[in-house]
Amino acid sequence: GEDVEQSLFLSVREGDSSVINCTYTDSSSTYLYWYKQEPGAGLQLLTYIFSNMDMKQDQRLTVLLNKKDKHLSLRIADTQTGDSAIYFCAEGTGNNRKLIWGLGTSLAVNP
Amino acid sequence: EAQVTQNPRYLITVTGKKLTVTCSQNMNHEYMSWYRQDPGLGLRQIYYSMNVEVTDKGDVPEGYKVSRKEKRNFPLILESPSPNQTSLYFCASSMTDNPGNTIYFGEGSWLTVV
Repeated sequence: GEDVEQSLFLSVREGDSSVINCTYTDSSSTYLYWYKQEPGAGLQLLTYIFSNMDMKQDQRLTVLLNKKDKHLSLRIADTQTGDSAIYFCAEGTGNNRKLIWGLGTSLAVNP
Repeated sequence: EAQVTQNPRYLITVTGKKLTVTCSQNMNHEYMSWYRQDPGLGLRQIYYSMNVEVTDKGDVPEGYKVSRKEKRNFPLILESPSPNQTSLYFCASSMTDNPGNTIYFGEGSWLTVV
């Protein structure tokens, strides 16, 4: 079946860039998402990208999509301690009912 | 403020004692769903609802019931909770099930069944 994989942990220093990677298996994915979960809170949509795009930039966030390799990345520039959270990659093909979620990458930002 | 509200946020209960986790959204969203989040298993969908009186099973519906009598509310019912239902539960909603619609999540409900 469809699968989404992410590395579980990433540690960076404050001010550095963070790159969180995700691979997926469903080649018919139309939307790919990044959600952020802060401690004790629900998931919050950070950004998403359509499958016909290669890149999307939103302030400090850059999403890169390599459809050939089924690889999605989220780059956070100038990472701050407030960026410490779990980041989930998700992919969808037709509707929100069938989102496939990764297990999440826990980002630790060290001062 | 747009929000999805769940209650209770934290609950410890005993095996077999029926409980309900309420969920309410104030955005007039048609689509609502329940997830559970477990270590190593990620986010798994329990039930979803496309609109009032329309509900359907997600990936892990066993042991759960839901109802959608009103658009804003989507309670999750555990008729006879068991320890394997100890988990973090999230309610979510979106305008419709169109993947371009942002999914809004509640803050989560920590449930422990002893």
